[in-house]
Amino acid sequence: DAKTTQPPSMDCAEGRAANLPCNHSTISGNEYVYWYRQIHSQGPQYIIHGLKNNETNEMASLIITEDRKSSTLILPHATLRDTAVYYCIVRESNFGNEKLTFGTGTRLTIIP
Amino acid sequence: GAGVSQSPSNKVTEKGKDVELRCDPISGHTALYWYRQSLGQGLEFLIYFQGNSAPDKSGLPSDRFSAERTGGSVSTLTIQRTQQEDSAVYLCASSSLGQFSGNTIYFGEGSWLTVV
Repeated sequence: DAKTTQPPSMDCAEGRAANLPCNHSTISGNEYVYWYRQIHSQGPQYIIHGLKNNETNEMASLIITEDRKSSTLILPHATLRDTAVYYCIVRESNFGNEKLTFGTGTRLTIIP
Repeated sequence: GAGVSQSPSNKVTEKGKDVELRCDPISGHTALYWYRQSLGQGLEFLIYFQGNSAPDKSGLPSDRFSAERTGGSVSTLTIQRTQQEDSAVYLCASSSLGQFSGNTIYFGEGSWLTVV
C-alpha cells in the first residue's frame, strides 16, 4: 500500500510557483521521499528525491519537514508542459526489495 | 542506449495467445522492476529483480504471468493465454541498487498491450 497522501488535483497559473504537498506520516528513518510525474501514459519521469535535507535541482525543489512527516514539491515557474500527474513516493528500503509503491498522485493543471 | 528500452512499443494480440515483452535496462543497473498501468489507473507493481534473482514476485496477478532476467541485464515478461483484462501499458524501470537506496529509478516508455 502507498504510504503517502496527496490531494487529487490542483491548479496553478502559468509562471507562478506550483507547490504540491504530500503527507507521509509513517515514514521510517531510512526511507527516502521520491517525486515522479507522468504525462498522459508516458513512462514516469523522475523529478527529485531526498532523505532529510531540502533538495534542489534544475527541475524542482523538495522541502521536507524536520519531522519528515510531510514534504512539498516546488516547481518554481510553472509552464504548460508541467501539466501532469505528480506522484510522491516513499521508497521502501528493506534490503533486497526497494520498490516504489505509487499512490494516486496529484493531477496538476497549469492554467494559461 | 542511454535510457531504459522496451519492446515492442505496441502489441495487439488475440485473446488466448501468449506475449513476450522485453526490457533492456540502463547499462550497469542491477535492479529491474516491472509495473503495469491500465487505462486511467495508477501504476501497479509486478516484480522486482536484483541481478538475475527475483526476491519480490508479489505483484504478479496470476500464474499466467512470469518474468525472467538473464545475464543481469535484459528481462522478459511473459503473459500466457492473454485475457482482455491484461490490456495495459507495461512499464519497466531500472536502478543502480544501493542499500537504503537513494538511487534513482528510471522508467522506460512502456509496452502498450491490447488484447482483442
